[in-house]
Amino acid sequence: EPEVTQTPSHQVTQMGQEVILRCVPISNHLYFYWYRQILGQKVEFLVSFYNNEISEKSEIFDDQFSVERPDGSNFTLKIRSTKLEDSAMYFCASSEIAGGSTGELFFGEGSRLTVL
Amino acid sequence: GNSVTQMEGPVTLSEEAFLTINCTYTATGYPSLFWYVQYPGEGLQLLLKATKADDKGSNKGFEATYRKETTSFHLEKGSVQVSDSAVYFCALYAGNNRKLIWGLGTSLAVNP
Repeated sequence: EPEVTQTPSHQVTQMGQEVILRCVPISNHLYFYWYRQILGQKVEFLVSFYNNEISEKSEIFDDQFSVERPDGSNFTLKIRSTKLEDSAMYFCASSEIAGGSTGELFFGEGSRLTVL
Repeated sequence: GNSVTQMEGPVTLSEEAFLTINCTYTATGYPSLFWYVQYPGEGLQLLLKATKADDKGSNKGFEATYRKETTSFHLEKGSVQVSDSAVYFCALYAGNNRKLIWGLGTSLAVNP
């Protein structure tokens, strides 16, 4: 069964360092997303991506965040200068149709980021 | 704005007990409603969904009915198993937001 894969599963970094989280979405999906979950809090939308550009982003997704689909298979989230409050589980998701309008987003296992 | 409220956990049950996890929502228009599940060490998986009022979603013995009059989508299972131990998330999709809005998640532990 096709699945979304994410790497690394866990990354520990120092405050101020750059981090890149990688995702391989399901191959025939066209819409890609990043969500995050800070421990004990709700899953939050960060960004959606379609046709090689951001289609929507939340207020959380400020200038220190960027996304890229560098090679047609990977979908990356870069955090330029990490802060303590960026510590969270980051989930990548993909869907066949716009916005996951029937809610059928397919999620990866998540990448846990710990900023020290 | 759109929001989802779930009952707080953790919920601890014995095997074969009846499960209810409450979920209520606030949304404009007619959202679609979902339950996602996260098993230990795994990602989020869609468990079931309902896209219009009075629809019942069901999967793996779990059920939830979309109740517009009470703005609820409570998750139920008649007889839980140890393997159902997981975190359960209620979520909604409303066209005006074009994203999933999540509840806090409810942790379920089932003891043998």
